[in-house]
Amino acid sequence: ETGVTQSPTHLIKTRGQQVTLRCSSQSGHNTVSWYQQALGQGPQFIFQYYREEENGRGNFPPRFSGLQFPNYSSELNVNALELDDSALYLCASSPQYSYEQYFGPGTRLTVT
Amino acid sequence: DAKTTQPTSMDCAEGRAANLPCNHSTISGNEYVYWYRQIHSQGPQYIIHGLKNNETNEMASLIITEDRKSSTLILPHATLRDTAVYYCIVRVANPSGTDKLIFGTGTRLQVFP
Repeated sequence: ETGVTQSPTHLIKTRGQQVTLRCSSQSGHNTVSWYQQALGQGPQFIFQYYREEENGRGNFPPRFSGLQFPNYSSELNVNALELDDSALYLCASSPQYSYEQYFGPGTRLTVT
Repeated sequence: DAKTTQPTSMDCAEGRAANLPCNHSTISGNEYVYWYRQIHSQGPQYIIHGLKNNETNEMASLIITEDRKSSTLILPHATLRDTAVYYCIVRVANPSGTDKLIFGTGTRLQVFP
């Protein structure tokens, strides 16, 4: 148990819809990173938030957006869902410049 | 970003040492080698990291070659619960503080009785 929680656990959406995934960081961690993991692949970095601002982004289109709140919890929003967005979405929290990221259990998103 | 190369899969008998290799020939002088593992249906879990010297903690040992172009993660006494995908990662840290982890496809370690 890392102390990082994500909700919901599973989600089914239709192509074209929008989805919001939530992450609650471990206490005292002010940095949150989001990753997408397609079946059989390693996680791919989406973006990171530090003190409520985006602090780095991977190769994902603008329809992937996020928020971080004053309590350091975070949301990942995906607009205009595509079938290829079906994946496990992981969030990881850490203190800034930490050598370790603590991952949550993930949200499994299925787009039909 | 430095890339890593790992075998797709490995087997290990329970109680024996599991040695997982990783090649990172383009690693830069200030980049660390990290190992994470992912047990089925869970998020990745940090194992160990190192820069130049060999490292050991309660979970594993990390052996880095002198030229830093390869490393080996050693689980000294593998158990069935060590069955997982093991990722060797070169850590990218830039001046803005972004600390993204670049995962490859990892090594699927199967520990058998």
